[in-house]
Amino acid sequence: NAGVMQNPRHLVRRRGQEARLRCSPMKGHSHVYWYRQLPEEGLKFMVYLQKENIIDESGMPKERFSAEFPKEGPSILRIQQVVRGDSAAYFCASSPPEGLYGYTFGSGTRLTVV
Amino acid sequence: ELKVEQNPLFLSMQEGKNYTIYCNYSTTSDRLYWYRQDPGKSLESLFVLLSNGAVKQEGRLMASLDTKARLSTLHITAAVHDLSATYFCAVDANTDKLIFGTGTRLQVFP
Repeated sequence: NAGVMQNPRHLVRRRGQEARLRCSPMKGHSHVYWYRQLPEEGLKFMVYLQKENIIDESGMPKERFSAEFPKEGPSILRIQQVVRGDSAAYFCASSPPEGLYGYTFGSGTRLTVV
Repeated sequence: ELKVEQNPLFLSMQEGKNYTIYCNYSTTSDRLYWYRQDPGKSLESLFVLLSNGAVKQEGRLMASLDTKARLSTLHITAAVHDLSATYFCAVDANTDKLIFGTGTRLQVFP
């Protein structure tokens, strides 16, 4: 059981480029969550997805950010036209189907915008 | 909107001493999580507290939950240097997402 897999671990982008962050949930987990952690701060919820559905995107910035969890393949968090303020650690977590509990976090992607 | 507050934000303590970190939250919830994060690392799950009065212990750490007071505590007994990290509480808001506290940065010195 490989746990929650995120890649890349580190990502450097120039201002204006696009960033794509990937997350494969734990085996048997059908719920995926993305969180952002700014330096010296806690984690802030961004979006909650199930396969092919966005359940809650109340924490996502209205522009430039999007997320998907397709039927096949990993969940993707996409940031278009990155700015310096997007520099942060982005963590993905997964949890089992409803009725159970427990969140497992991936190792994170550290995005640096230069 | 659910708010989760931790205190203290910073804690510097001597090895061998005891201390408690507090986590207050603003709305009803039956699930509270404690995580540890080392610098530059991901979150390590420490405890899951699922009901009022729940108490769990692992080594020098003990966590408790009082859902009526909307308060959880993480008690550190006889601290050692290896416990130096940032500790987060997080509340499941019954909306299938976690709301995190601000974190407590713990430094244990000889």
